[in-house]
Amino acid sequence: AQSVTQPDIHITVSEGASLELRCNYSYGATPYLFWYVQSPGQGLQLLLKYFSGDTLVQGIKGFEAEFKRSQSSFNLRKPSVHWSDAAEYFCAVGARAGGTSYGKLTFGQGTILTVHP
Amino acid sequence: DAGVTQSPTHLIKTRGQQVTLRCSPKSGHDTVSWYQQALGQGPQFIFQYYEEEERQRGNFPDRFSGHQFPNYSSELNVNALLLGDSALYLCASSPRQGGGYGYTFGSGTRLTVV
Repeated sequence: AQSVTQPDIHITVSEGASLELRCNYSYGATPYLFWYVQSPGQGLQLLLKYFSGDTLVQGIKGFEAEFKRSQSSFNLRKPSVHWSDAAEYFCAVGARAGGTSYGKLTFGQGTILTVHP
Repeated sequence: DAGVTQSPTHLIKTRGQQVTLRCSPKSGHDTVSWYQQALGQGPQFIFQYYEEEERQRGNFPDRFSGHQFPNYSSELNVNALLLGDSALYLCASSPRQGGGYGYTFGSGTRLTVV
């Protein structure tokens, strides 16, 4: 069974500081990995995804993530956080299933990011 | 290009009632998945539809059912509502063929059961 762990429930950083959100996954084969962001009361917006190839993935809004197979991790990073980055961030793992392009996504519990001015 | 559209945005129902939520996928997408997100939790997979059939199902009771129409839009039905069904219900669409796209999520329907 696939699973995702986001060890940090809540992270607070100062505006301009660097950010790293942790994500560990469990999956039997090479996974598809995603980071989504959710503002209060809103749906999920895709930040970036990893399917194969280069293990360092660039996303929108200046975010990047690195896939480390040996550590089963897919941590999200940003060199300088802006106040507008305050939101909840979800890591997810997915897989191909039964002829569809993508099977179900399994999400972590999320990490709430607070940005101090 | 419209993304994933869900309706209604908010809904209040009484325990024991039935509810239908609707989803129109992004243009070019033919696969629709539904997720339940309880307050303070990550989304949980309910089921996935393509070619008008349920293809995968998560750990949800039979009170949760769905349908996909020939135009790829979808409905989620929940019968005999419980207080614990209060959540944000998210619809996600994806193309069946051609990798590299991932899912596109709608803004969700906030269901409150009282």
